[in-house]
Amino acid sequence: AQSVTQLGSHVSVSEGALVLLRCNYSSSVPPYLFWYVQYPNQGLQLLLKYTSAATLVKGINGFEAEFKKSETSFHLTKPSAHMSDAAEYFCAVIVYTGFQKLVFGTGTRLLVSP
Amino acid sequence: GAGVSQSPSNKVTEKGKDVELRCDPISGHTALYWYRQSLGQGLEFLIYFQGNSAPDKSGLPSDRFSAERTGGSVSTLTIQRTQQEDSAVYLCASSLGVAQETQYFGPGTRLLVL
Repeated sequence: AQSVTQLGSHVSVSEGALVLLRCNYSSSVPPYLFWYVQYPNQGLQLLLKYTSAATLVKGINGFEAEFKKSETSFHLTKPSAHMSDAAEYFCAVIVYTGFQKLVFGTGTRLLVSP
Repeated sequence: GAGVSQSPSNKVTEKGKDVELRCDPISGHTALYWYRQSLGQGLEFLIYFQGNSAPDKSGLPSDRFSAERTGGSVSTLTIQRTQQEDSAVYLCASSLGVAQETQYFGPGTRLLVL
C-alpha cells in the first residue's frame, strides 16, 4: 500500500538556517506527493506538489522539494528559515482505491528560534 | 475566490449528544472529503463525495458517523451519541475531482466531547 513516512516529529532550527524536513514514500506505482503546512489553529495549506512533471518542485514561501526515486524521498527544504515558518508540516501521497484520497505522514513540527 | 469554509469553528458537547458539522466547498469543486485529525491517529480519511454519486464511506470509524451532501455542494458530517474519543479536529477538503488534483482544506472544526 502506498504510504509516506516523516522522520522526526520535531525539528528545531535557528532563524536564517537551512530547513530540511524529511519524507520517504512507499509506492509500487509513480507517486503523486504533496507537502502541506498547518499553522496553529488553522487548516492545511498546500506548499507544493509533485506530479511527475519535474523532480525539483518549487512551492510557496521559498520552500522546495526534490523527488528522488532512487532514495524514495521527497524532502522539503528552505535555504533560510524565518520565524513565520514555525508550523506543522505534513507530507502526503495520493492513494487510489476507486477514487483518490490523501494519506498523510505523521507530521513534523518545525520550531524556529531567534 | 472564497475557500472552503466550515462551521462551527469550535464545538464543545457532552458525551452522548449528537453533533453536526458543516462544510461549504469551493464553488465548482465536485469532490469533497472529510478527514479527522487527532492526537493518537494523526490525519485520517473519513468519507468522500464525488458530485451526486454515492459516497465512499470506507474511512468512517463507526456507524455513529454519517455524512450527506446536498445538491452536490454543502456537506454535513453527523456524529451520533458522541464519545470522548471523538474529540478531534474535523477537516473538510474539496477539489475539482480530476486525477491528481489538489485538495483544498477548510480551517476545521475543533470538537471536544466532555
